[in-house]
Amino acid sequence: GQQLNQSPQSMFIQEGEDVSMNCTSSSIFNTWLWYKQDPGEGPVLLIALYKAGELTSNGRLTAQFGITRKDSFLNISASIPSDVGIYFCAGLLAQKLVFGQGTRLTINP
Amino acid sequence: KAGVTQTPRYLIKTRGQQVTLSCSPISGHRSVSWYQQTPGQGLQFLFEYFSETQRNKGNFPGRFSGRQFSNSRSEMNVSTLELGDSALYLCASSLGTPNTGELFFGEGSRLTVL
Repeated sequence: GQQLNQSPQSMFIQEGEDVSMNCTSSSIFNTWLWYKQDPGEGPVLLIALYKAGELTSNGRLTAQFGITRKDSFLNISASIPSDVGIYFCAGLLAQKLVFGQGTRLTINP
Repeated sequence: KAGVTQTPRYLIKTRGQQVTLSCSPISGHRSVSWYQQTPGQGLQFLFEYFSETQRNKGNFPGRFSGRQFSNSRSEMNVSTLELGDSALYLCASSLGTPNTGELFFGEGSRLTVL
């Protein structure tokens, strides 16, 4: 089945730093999404991308849908303590949503 | 607007038992999806129900089953529990059509199998 390779698996950064994570696949996806999961809660949608090449921002978050439709990246600028959590990429193909393994973000104040 | 509600939040079972988990979607949402989350495997898709019909299914054994009621509430059942079934089971709802991948997740039901 389709698999999404998300990297890095974990990140340890200082507050105020920028963060970048990405997701790649051998399959072509029609939609890429990014979710964030806080401890003890379910994932929450951050950004959805529907067109190849699309660049979308949500506050300090920016995500892009790769031109090849096989990859996507998420950037977080000027990180703050509440950015801590696990970030998941997800790709939609043939009505099925496939998730990456997640990037665990830890921030040192 | 109330979010997705999952019950129970925590439960402990022993091997061989069966378990039923419940999910109440956001009002107006007709699609309910179930995911299994474990540290090693991440979020794995179990199945999706739309208007009381299973629309998609993941690669889980037949011990995992689900259903959806006319009010869009959904249940999933796991029979003959195994230790490896210990996980966080997440339910997510969406409008369902068009299928955009934009899901609203509940807080999950954490199952421990002893």
